[in-house]
Amino acid sequence: GAVVSQHPSRVICKSGTSVKIECRSLDFQATTMFWYRQFPKQSLMLMATSNEGSKATYEQGVEKDKFLINHASLTLSTLTVTSAHPEDSSFYICSARDLRGGAETQYFGPGTRLLVL
Amino acid sequence: GENVEQHPSTLSVQEGDSAVIKCTYSDSASNYFPWYKQELGKGPQLIIDIRSNVGEKKDQRIAVTLNKTAKHFSLHITETQPEDSAVYFCAATLRGNNRLAFGKGNQVVVIP
Repeated sequence: GAVVSQHPSRVICKSGTSVKIECRSLDFQATTMFWYRQFPKQSLMLMATSNEGSKATYEQGVEKDKFLINHASLTLSTLTVTSAHPEDSSFYICSARDLRGGAETQYFGPGTRLLVL
Repeated sequence: GENVEQHPSTLSVQEGDSAVIKCTYSDSASNYFPWYKQELGKGPQLIIDIRSNVGEKKDQRIAVTLNKTAKHFSLHITETQPEDSAVYFCAATLRGNNRLAFGKGNQVVVIP
């Protein structure tokens, strides 16, 4: 399968600071990447769809000014949590859609654990 | 939109036995059904998927079956091993549609 990486894997920050998370597709190009949030013992909640070269599409209830998404290249999407607060603490996971061979398969990154103090 | 339900929420099996997880979906137009395995603290890993033009797919100890009429699909794990212990998520989508609709997940515990 395809490989998706995330960086950092874990981050602790003070309330009010901004945190940037990177998502990279390592062995394929991804015109579309996705950002999810996951709370303990719960399923994946889609936050936004990131499209290369265009604005991200946010799910209902997700603040676009708080969760800034940039998809500047075919292998990199970034999620910036601006002015983070303790309630933003969560497990953030990205995925990338692999269109090779017409498969349209989504591969996930390893996730980023964010803790806001 | 698509709604996916997953049962049971927790499944305990003896090592060597089989495990079966069933998911139902609501949108008859959905045509792609992946299964992901998530270990604690890690991202979901695609383990198998099936498209609506086939009824069954197998990869070593893992198989997925699809019943389009009943709108359900199942994951079968044979000869379970302790390393199979994880949370398994099913999902459904319409090819060409960006969004995967996920089930709530199933905690599988393989007892040595």
